[in-house]
Amino acid sequence: GAGVSQSPSNKVTEKGKDVELRCDPISGHTALYWYRQSLGQGLEFLIYFQGNSAPDKSGLPSDRFSAERTGGSVSTLTIQRTQQEDSAVYLCASSDITGGVGTQYFGPGTRLLVL
Amino acid sequence: GESVGLHLPTLSVQEGDNSIINCAYSNSASDYFIWYKQESGKGPQFIIDIRSNMDKRQGQRVTVLLNKTVKHLSLQIAATQPGDSAVYFCAEKGGNNRLAFGKGNQVVVIP
Repeated sequence: GAGVSQSPSNKVTEKGKDVELRCDPISGHTALYWYRQSLGQGLEFLIYFQGNSAPDKSGLPSDRFSAERTGGSVSTLTIQRTQQEDSAVYLCASSDITGGVGTQYFGPGTRLLVL
Repeated sequence: GESVGLHLPTLSVQEGDNSIINCAYSNSASDYFIWYKQESGKGPQFIIDIRSNMDKRQGQRVTVLLNKTVKHLSLQIAATQPGDSAVYFCAEKGGNNRLAFGKGNQVVVIP
């Protein structure tokens, strides 16, 4: 079946511009996560959606970052007034409610470069 | 804060040999650990997991060992193949099921 998809795969933007990154989770997965991976680093948790519960936004690095999940499916991560330090790979993962955290399935990521 | 880290940044291994990747964790309350493999240009891929009530778990060519006394986790890959070349991350489950990842360990398989 289809896995987690993300778009765009690559994004180059100028400092100060806003960007939107999209994640399509696996159908039926109720949990959705966003992570950020800087070059040569591990993954940094950003935000977590679970069903209709309030999202866990505790990992967002600043108020320039926001995310929403519409209809319990597709999610959009928005970065406003991008800075060069926002350059990274943004990864989305989804999980089913019974699978436990070990079954987080990751998308291929969006590579963001802020010039 | 709590952290998960890896001992070695790069491991070069001859094809056919066994690989061992180590990981130290600091949160003694962690009850669930996962190993992920990430190939260049791809997202992390789940390899194997282990709960804290176990000290060993085996998969296909992979074994994860957990030593809670010294808060150490390792991944063993048997008969390493060129396709095993990747970055390997250990991760522990935190609150809200978020994962705390280590920095990663590059494995290079020499043909």
